[in-house]
Amino acid sequence: EAGVTQFPSHSVIEKGQTVTLRCDPISGHDNLYWYRRVMGKEIKFLLHFVKESKQDESGMPNNRFLAERTGGTYSTLKVQPAELEDSGVYFCASSPYSTEAFFGQGTRLTVV
Amino acid sequence: QKEVEQNSGPLSVPEGAIASLNCTYSDRGSQSFFWYRQYSGKSPELIMSIYSNGDKEDGRFTAQLNKASQYVSLLIRDSQPSDSATYLCAVNMIGGYQKVTFGTGTKLQVIP
Repeated sequence: EAGVTQFPSHSVIEKGQTVTLRCDPISGHDNLYWYRRVMGKEIKFLLHFVKESKQDESGMPNNRFLAERTGGTYSTLKVQPAELEDSGVYFCASSPYSTEAFFGQGTRLTVV
Repeated sequence: QKEVEQNSGPLSVPEGAIASLNCTYSDRGSQSFFWYRQYSGKSPELIMSIYSNGDKEDGRFTAQLNKASQYVSLLIRDSQPSDSATYLCAVNMIGGYQKVTFGTGTKLQVIP
């Protein structure tokens, strides 16, 4: 069974540009989460989807971040326009119920 | 005060010894507790979850929870060099996974 897959694995963009991160959860997992880890800090929650609905987006830092999960399958996280402080590793996780979740490898975003 | 606190380490133990990793949390209403292992550049991997006071054993791993003291620990018996990784403590209020708060992690080094 395929795990949680994230694309791209690395992205380097200039300040002011737009970047879209993608997450493919494990098939059949209704719950999908986005997390972020900035340098030297702990992993922080961004938001939680149940199927295509946003269950909790309290961790989204500001309106430059937009997450979607059309059709309840894969999800995208768009940052527009990107700022220097958005650099970090973005993790996606999925779970079948509200129990233990499985993480993807993460996308390392560098904004220069 | 951080919501979830861990000693960043590194914690060095000789091969075959018991490694003890500790975590304290600030929210007395927390109900679910998780330990993740993360190798450098890899995704966090769930190794233990615990929901009630006491000990929970799984192979060489034992999770211990004391809600009165707001303390959760992970013991690794017969430590192996392959156990060398960063161990992340994660806590949430609602039963089950949903939104969790991570600690910064403790780096464990097992010396052959």
